[in-house]
Amino acid sequence: DGGITQSPKYLFRKEGQNVTLSCEQNLNHDAMYWYRQDPGQGLRLIYYSQIVNDFQKGDIAEGYSVSREKKESFPLTVTSAQKNPTAFYLCASSTKGSGFGEAFFGQGTRLTVV
Amino acid sequence: AQSVTQLGSHVSVSEGALVLLRCNYSSSVPPYLFWYVQYPNQGLQLLLKYTSAATLVKGINGFEAEFKKSETSFHLTKPSAHMSDAAEYFCAVVPPGTDKLIFGTGTRLQVFP
Repeated sequence: DGGITQSPKYLFRKEGQNVTLSCEQNLNHDAMYWYRQDPGQGLRLIYYSQIVNDFQKGDIAEGYSVSREKKESFPLTVTSAQKNPTAFYLCASSTKGSGFGEAFFGQGTRLTVV
Repeated sequence: AQSVTQLGSHVSVSEGALVLLRCNYSSSVPPYLFWYVQYPNQGLQLLLKYTSAATLVKGINGFEAEFKKSETSFHLTKPSAHMSDAAEYFCAVVPPGTDKLIFGTGTRLQVFP
């Protein structure tokens, strides 16, 4: 089935560690996104990518890094520079350009700092 | 910067009552507009989208939204609430000329029997 897959579903990180969240899609979408969700703040855009080997910072990129080496994959690394990483992280993909369509979301990764 | 504002972080209705969730956008040029729904601990699912065709957009689960340029609004409605409608609802915008999908802060809908 076509869709977007995030892994793991739950992730625990010790302070000072980097962790990488996986996002894979088989929808042949060009655009991919990472959002952070905190209670009462909605979804805030971390990074987005419109094409392989290119990505742009969103509104809260500090402390995060991404890569887009393959069209299907858009991993997010939460670095030790992110001071408050505990949150629910959502990945999405969509068509792009003037025909912007529905964004498909993964089931999310809940990251907790212990 | 282009954004959307959702008025009311919580809305409560009785089963069978009208649902009205408010969304206003900030742009002089009509953007693409969307409503998404999120059930607990899950990703988001598209309810409906406005892409400059008809101003009244019908979506899934009996929801619809009307684009009003004069009011810069895109409010979501459903004539009769069902218990299964209880969820969080997000309005989102893609500013013209970009592929940047921006979300509002969300409205949690509670439905009482």
